[in-house]
Amino acid sequence: QIQLVQSGGEVKKPGASVTVSCKASGYTFTSHGINWVRQAPGQGPEWMGWISANNGNTNYPQKFQGRVTLTRDTSTSAASMELRSLRSDDTAVYYCARDRDFLTGYLFDFWGQGTLVTVSS
Amino acid sequence: DIVMTQSPDSLAVSLGERATINCNSSQSVLYSSNNKNYLAWYQQKPGQPPKLLIYWASARESGVPDRFSGSGSGTDFTLTISSLQAEDVAVYYCYQYYTSPTFGQGTKVEIK
Repeated sequence: QIQLVQSGGEVKKPGASVTVSCKASGYTFTSHGINWVRQAPGQGPEWMGWISANNGNTNYPQKFQGRVTLTRDTSTSAASMELRSLRSDDTAVYYCARDRDFLTGYLFDFWGQGTLVTVSS
Repeated sequence: DIVMTQSPDSLAVSLGERATINCNSSQSVLYSSNNKNYLAWYQQKPGQPPKLLIYWASARESGVPDRFSGSGSGTDFTLTISSLQAEDVAVYYCYQYYTSPTFGQGTKVEIK
């Protein structure tokens, strides 16, 4: 079955960086893009960016450009998200989510379990 | 960015009754070249990631019960749960993937 398994929770200090990983299984990794979505406590989800699992192309919303880097490793079917210069309002659950298919674009069908990142001094 | 605004923020419906959630986008999400609305609905239960229910505004994802339906076009959309079941208690989000993706603020559905 299709699974996206993320790394465990993190506690970071303001100004630090965090990397969250996402390991895919149960499908051909390079056939579907990977997105990253975060959700602050009590808030709606927020899209942070997309990476092509095939060629590594990326797309970031303006809000996160320069602060987020998405990477993928086809040899291990894994993707990662690095967020730098952390602030308290970056405290959120971070999800990886798979593109449903190339026709629908940024439409997510399978999600990781979520990784809580807490930013606190 | 396209702003998605849902109404109401919460609603309580009796079991077996209809629940209706509205979503308005700040600009049209209808792509003229393929006549498709880039609008989806997600359901999220506590402690879980969102689950895809509806895409292209009205297409039901595989495995989603047929009591869930979506309608609308352009900037105004509706999610309808025709007969509310206990397992439908959740927060529902509309979502546009026409351009840089954005979610609505969510509508919490509870049992009356």
